[in-house]
Amino acid sequence: DAKTTQPTSMDCAEGRAANLPCNHSTISGNEYVYWYRQIHSQGPQYIIHGLKNNETNEMASLIITEDRKSSTLILPHATLRDTAVYYCIVSYFVFGPGTRLSVLP
Amino acid sequence: SAVISQKPSRDICQRGTSLTIQCQVDSQVTMMFWYRQQPGQSLTLIATANQGSEATYESGFVIDKFPISRPNLTFSTLTVSNMSPEDSSIYLCSVEDFRGGSYEQYFGPGTRLTVT
Repeated sequence: DAKTTQPTSMDCAEGRAANLPCNHSTISGNEYVYWYRQIHSQGPQYIIHGLKNNETNEMASLIITEDRKSSTLILPHATLRDTAVYYCIVSYFVFGPGTRLSVLP
Repeated sequence: SAVISQKPSRDICQRGTSLTIQCQVDSQVTMMFWYRQQPGQSLTLIATANQGSEATYESGFVIDKFPISRPNLTFSTLTVSNMSPEDSSIYLCSVEDFRGGSYEQYFGPGTRLTVT
C-alpha cells in the first residue's frame, strides 16, 4: 500500500517550472513526505523531504498543504536532464509507481 | 550524503544458479535495505539488514531465497538463490542517514540481473 497517488505522466517544456503533485490523504502526523527521482537505469536519487513546512534546496522546492494531505514538488527551471520518474513517498520505504516526467525541448 | 557502491553492476546467470550482490557504503550506517525493481515496475522492499541481527523480510520474500549478510556497519550482501527467469530485475541497496532531525535514504546504482 503506497499511500500516495501521483499522475502517471507529465510533460514540461524545457526552462519552465515543473510542478509535480502528490496526494497523501492518509498521512500520519509524524510521517514525512519524501521525493526521489530515478533516471533511466540508475538508482533512485534523493531530492527533498518535509514534514509540514515548505522546503527548498538546490534541486527543488516542496510545498505541503496545511492539512498535509497533498504536496507539490517544484523544479523551478526544468532541463532535459530532469526527465525521470519522480516518486513521492510517505510510508517509509514503500514506493508507488511514480510520475514519469518528460522535459521537452 | 552516503556514497554507495554495488558489485556486480550487471550479470547474466543461468537458471538454478545463485548470485551474491555486494553493497559497500563509505560511512557507517545502522540500517541497510535491499530492494528489487522488476522491469517497468517501481521499487519493492525485500528486506532490512541491521548489523548483528538477522535481516527482516517483507511479505513475499523469504530468507532461503534471498539470504542476506550484514557483517559490519559498512557492508552487506544479498544472495539470489536458485534463480529463475522471474528473478530478472534490478537489485538496489539503500541506506538510511539521519541528519537534521529526520532520515534521508540513499540508493546504490543497482545490479541488473538477467536470468536465462
